[in-house]
Amino acid sequence: GAVVSQHPSWVICKSGTSVKIECRSLDFQATTMFWYRQFPKQSLMLMATSNEGSKATYEQGVEKDKFLINHASLTLSTLTVTSAHPEDSSFYICSARDYREPYEQYFGPGTRLTVT
Amino acid sequence: AQTVTQSQPEMSVQEAETVTLSCTYDTSENNYYLFWYKQPPSRQMILVIRQEAYKQQNATENRFSVNFQKAAKSFSLKISDSQLGDTAMYFCAFVSASGTYKYIFGTGTRLKVLA
Repeated sequence: GAVVSQHPSWVICKSGTSVKIECRSLDFQATTMFWYRQFPKQSLMLMATSNEGSKATYEQGVEKDKFLINHASLTLSTLTVTSAHPEDSSFYICSARDYREPYEQYFGPGTRLTVT
Repeated sequence: AQTVTQSQPEMSVQEAETVTLSCTYDTSENNYYLFWYKQPPSRQMILVIRQEAYKQQNATENRFSVNFQKAAKSFSLKISDSQLGDTAMYFCAFVSASGTYKYIFGTGTRLKVLA
């Protein structure tokens, strides 16, 4: 149980375009989803927290207009990187929280974004 | 603010040997949870073990066990009978039992198991 999927696993886009990453909880309802960014050989950096039906809460220094997060249902959250630039290239990971185990996060497999 | 420190950026261990990864944290709270996650080259985050702060007994999961010292704010991970598949980044994480459910991650320890 507690499986989280992400799609796509790898995406290449041109500079100036937008790209959407989906995060789904497959066998549970995710009251909260988290989006992380990870640079090579570094730890996970929390970008934002989203609760179903509410606006996302962004961490300090994260541009909310650049990284649009939507948590439209209890099983789906999306991250849209708008007007992507090469410096947005990174590994993006989502995680989800199940109310039955509120302090544990279940992680998706991640999405590698390359902006050319 | 809470912080998590992993002071060993890299470690190596011979196959079948035992290795201990260290993690210390700073908090003024009494109720919290601690986790060790493994991130292999696939980059999928895998839960290794969790510890509830209110439990005095150290958590164990097969070859993995922790030494939880609440007063010292220490949470080390011991891997016994190391296997090649244990090669990965290991992250220690803290989450408060009151608040936003956000994880505070350490910087990670890269473990390499040698054949």
